[in-house]
Amino acid sequence: EAGVAQSPRYKIIEKRQSVAFWCNPISGHATLYWYQQILGQGPKLLIQFQNNGVVDDSQLPKDRFSAERLKGVDSTLKIQPAKLEDSAVYLCASSPPAGGPGEQYFGPGTRLTVT
Amino acid sequence: GNSVTQMEGPVTLSEEAFLTINCTYTATGYPSLFWYVQYPGEGLQLLLKATKADDKGSNKGFEATYRKETTSFHLEKGSVQVSDSAVYFCALSGNGGSNYKLTFGKGTLLTVNP
Repeated sequence: EAGVAQSPRYKIIEKRQSVAFWCNPISGHATLYWYQQILGQGPKLLIQFQNNGVVDDSQLPKDRFSAERLKGVDSTLKIQPAKLEDSAVYLCASSPPAGGPGEQYFGPGTRLTVT
Repeated sequence: GNSVTQMEGPVTLSEEAFLTINCTYTATGYPSLFWYVQYPGEGLQLLLKATKADDKGSNKGFEATYRKETTSFHLEKGSVQVSDSAVYFCALSGNGGSNYKLTFGKGTLLTVNP
């Protein structure tokens, strides 16, 4: 079974530029999460989708971050414009329809550096 | 809100030493508790979990017991190996629907020397 795929793996941009990350969850997984992991900290949830609907985006900085999951499969996370403090690893995770607590499968992440 | 506090690292041990990484939590209701591991160059993986008080989660020689009275979920292993070198994250989630989102601690870097 293929795991969660993310691209790109690494991205370097200048502040005020825009960037987008892509995630392809495990086939059949209804729930998709985006986390932000700043160096030295644990991952923090940015947004949770159930199919193509948003369940929780309470910690998403909506003035600059946006995310979509148009067909309930792939998802894109965008930052526009980027700030220095957005430098982090962005993790995508998915879980199956009948998944229990903690049953999240993580992708390798995209490491973003903002200069 | 929910929060997780875990032992600051880094932790450096010799092979076959005993490992303890402390984790305490604050949560409403009855959360589920987890330990995730991140090996160098790899993604986060679930190591073990416990979904109710007094449950013991175990995997690969690691174990942790859900202690509601002390709000703790300490990770232990009796004899570590070089291959256990990784970052370990304690985490919690609610127990239903949208409450399955994870709240993580800051992580503890473990280095095991031969």
